[in-house]
Amino acid sequence: EIVLTQSPGTLSLSPGDRATLSCRASPSITTSFLAWYQQKPGQAPRLLFYGASSRATGIPDRFSASESATDFTLTISRLEPEDFAVYYCQQYDDLPRTFGQGTKLEIK
Amino acid sequence: QVQLVESGGGLVKPGGSLRLSCEASGFRFSADYMSWIRQVPGKGLEWVSYIGGSSLSKYYADSVKGRFTISRDNAKNLLFLQMDDLRAEDTAVYYCAREASFGVADSWGLGTLVSVSS
Repeated sequence: EIVLTQSPGTLSLSPGDRATLSCRASPSITTSFLAWYQQKPGQAPRLLFYGASSRATGIPDRFSASESATDFTLTISRLEPEDFAVYYCQQYDDLPRTFGQGTKLEIK
Repeated sequence: QVQLVESGGGLVKPGGSLRLSCEASGFRFSADYMSWIRQVPGKGLEWVSYIGGSSLSKYYADSVKGRFTISRDNAKNLLFLQMDDLRAEDTAVYYCAREASFGVADSWGLGTLVSVSS
């Protein structure tokens, strides 16, 4: 089973700040089969990115995603009040499909 | 636009059964894989099951294999999850999700809460 570890667990920032969220897979994912989701309290998750860096429909361009040899990264360039939420990564490189434990982005 | 509406959740005793339904609209239902994903309140996400458009391809997480059965009715745009021999650890919000791209849940329902308790 591929275990996704997200860091940090909680990120405390202010509106206008830049947020950088990380997701590391073990064992490594050799494809780009990784997605990112945003979940607000009381709501279902919302797809942000798939294929590691392809933005889903309707996602603002202040959100970006990338991958390196070892990590996947979600970046929010300038935080808006509505961006404070929990973010999950999810791999679909292999079964079982697994999610990271989430990063909570909270207002500082 | 894509709409997914789950129903059928509720309180059930250990060992009991429930059947979840998901009514889909706004897309060509028969063309897409569909999934059930669950979330223990306040906790993380678990991909429970998926089914291909023609029902030939199915997957179950080890935690539910042999107890849950996924099915679909393409004529009525309905997805189902039959849950038998329910356990306390099955308590969660169950989401219906569309996979417009295989492996990616691009649209989600609001979820239905399943509580297993004596």
